[in-house]
Amino acid sequence: RKEVEQDPGPFNVPEGATVAFNCTYSNSASQSFFWYRQDCRKEPKLLMSVYSSGNEDGRFTAQLNRASQYISLLIRDSKLSDSATYLCVVKGSQGNLIFGKGTKLSVKP
Amino acid sequence: EPEVTQTPSHQVTQMGQEVILRCVPISNHLYFYWYRQILGQKVEFLVSFYNNEISEKSEIFDDQFSVERPDGSNFTLKIRSTKLEDSAMYFCASSFKQGGNGYTFGSGTRLTVV
Repeated sequence: RKEVEQDPGPFNVPEGATVAFNCTYSNSASQSFFWYRQDCRKEPKLLMSVYSSGNEDGRFTAQLNRASQYISLLIRDSKLSDSATYLCVVKGSQGNLIFGKGTKLSVKP
Repeated sequence: EPEVTQTPSHQVTQMGQEVILRCVPISNHLYFYWYRQILGQKVEFLVSFYNNEISEKSEIFDDQFSVERPDGSNFTLKIRSTKLEDSAMYFCASSFKQGGNGYTFGSGTRLTVV
């Protein structure tokens, strides 16, 4: 099983749509989880951390299910500028980050 | 906002040549990292560096790779004898604490081995 697994997409959605991304991770001992955003040929940028109780930042909501080893990201009211690849990331035991391959989102007018 | 700076942005090198990729981490950060991303693939961890020594490295980081912090500000990745499969985007990152929210990535160096 891959360490961090994501649906590669692409997700093609109209502006204003709600879209959800899912991710699973293999190491049940993992403690820290993140969603990063990566624009084409750019560096990954932290979108938000994922907390056990779930957390929201504006239009973005992240959820964690430790029992299922499952992480999700919900984007409400999609904007054109949300078009990017969304990377599910789990922190490894020595502080390194373990990335999923990413889910590509394309928001159309 | 503080930045991690990487140079050059793009480097083309011949197979077998040595390359040095340079990074200037954020000044008060203590942990330094190199990651790479082969085109179309996921971002992969190479090495972490703390207190002037390697703290962890991945299987990718074999004997052809080395890192150095020569002068207290720069953090370099050397690839001794480049192979075609070393062609990738190389990202430097730094953080104040080990991993976590405080990770900042540089904009990357695109290495093309021909």
